[in-house]
Amino acid sequence: ETGVTQTPRHLVMGMTNKKSLKCEQHLGHNAMYWYKQSAKKPLELMFVYSLEERVENNSVPSRFSPECPNSSHLFLHLHTLQPEDSALYLCASSQGRAIGNQPQHFGDGTRLSIL
Amino acid sequence: GIQVEQSPPDLILQEGANSTLRCNFSDSVNNLQWFHQNPWGQLINLFYIPSGTKQNGRLSATTVATERYSLLYISSSQTTDSGVYFCAVNRDDKIIFGKGTRLHILP
Repeated sequence: ETGVTQTPRHLVMGMTNKKSLKCEQHLGHNAMYWYKQSAKKPLELMFVYSLEERVENNSVPSRFSPECPNSSHLFLHLHTLQPEDSALYLCASSQGRAIGNQPQHFGDGTRLSIL
Repeated sequence: GIQVEQSPPDLILQEGANSTLRCNFSDSVNNLQWFHQNPWGQLINLFYIPSGTKQNGRLSATTVATERYSLLYISSSQTTDSGVYFCAVNRDDKIIFGKGTRLHILP
């Protein structure tokens, strides 16, 4: 139990569907992250929120829309995805405001498959 | 941007063997972390080690920031050590992961 919970664990969706990934952390952290892990590629940082403000957006397509209503919850809203978006999506959290200056704790990920 | 290179890309060892995994980075960094991703995809933070040496049981890590590398040592490996080991560096609010070393421990 890492203190970071992601749901669902698996998701299969069509390209025209709209779905959301959820992440919740129980560690009292104030920074949360979304990562994408594709086969045979390094982990890619997608979004970072610190104190509920987005501080990093690594040129992610607009079909991915993050939302951070409070410091414990992070969502990734998905719309009109492409087959190449099939991947493992990982959420992480850390203490402190500065990105990467504290250890990150990861959830178990959501395995997303786009048909 | 900063390049992070991990070696070897793949490693197969017999249970009980020792191993050394390496992470090179192309520029100075603020921090470095080692992670283990098990065969079920769970990513666990092993070490947060911007410099110096740390030990945790059979694992230890050393980062020599001035020479831009970090090493992860695994001693007396067990089958549960199998998975992918990533290093990630941080600089200027950017986090960059290496491609990982895939470790397979044979029983």
